[in-house]
Amino acid sequence: EIVMTQSPATLSVSPGERATLSCRASQSIGINLAWYQHKPGQAPRLLIYGASTRAAGVPARFSGSGSGTEFTLTVTSLQSEDFALYFCQQFSNWPKTFGQGTRVEIK
Amino acid sequence: QVHLVQSGAEVKKSGASVKVSCKTSGYTFINSAISWLRQAPGHGLEWMGWISGHNNITIYAQKFQGRLTLTTDTSTRTAYMDLRSLRSDDTAVYYCARDTAYFDRWGQGTLVSVSS
Repeated sequence: EIVMTQSPATLSVSPGERATLSCRASQSIGINLAWYQHKPGQAPRLLIYGASTRAAGVPARFSGSGSGTEFTLTVTSLQSEDFALYFCQQFSNWPKTFGQGTRVEIK
Repeated sequence: QVHLVQSGAEVKKSGASVKVSCKTSGYTFINSAISWLRQAPGHGLEWMGWISGHNNITIYAQKFQGRLTLTTDTSTRTAYMDLRSLRSDDTAVYYCARDTAYFDRWGQGTLVSVSS
């Protein structure tokens, strides 16, 4: 099974600043990667698929990049509603696997 | 709009079974698949299994083989997850999600608590 590793586990950022989250796959997954946002008590929300394509309704301040084994989610100018848990997921191979998540908190 | 609405929280004893439903709306059910996932306390998300919306073909994660059954009812656009022989480490929030390779819509989650 492909192991997804996210870093850092927690990211402290001030509102208006940029957040850069990393996700690494244990083997190449091409661009078969998605990013999600998860807030307590809510369903996870798809942000990015295909490593860099924003899902419908996702603000342009969210962007994804990378291919192969290294991926990045960037959130420019963090808004109050962006403080949440973010996790990556590979859909290259079965079973589909997730990273452990990066919590973006207010600095 | 696409919606997935899950059944309510469950409390079960070890060894029992639980069946969680996921009622969908807003899209053509038979044209998509549903995956079931869970998140145990202090753990990341775990994919459990996948079921086609039109022919009931299933794919299960190896660790759930023999204990998990996924079904659908196309007449009510509802997917079901049946997990048997529950253990305390099955305590988790269970999610259904529309599976288009990634998960573009999720249910609200169902807490299943298993006590010994």
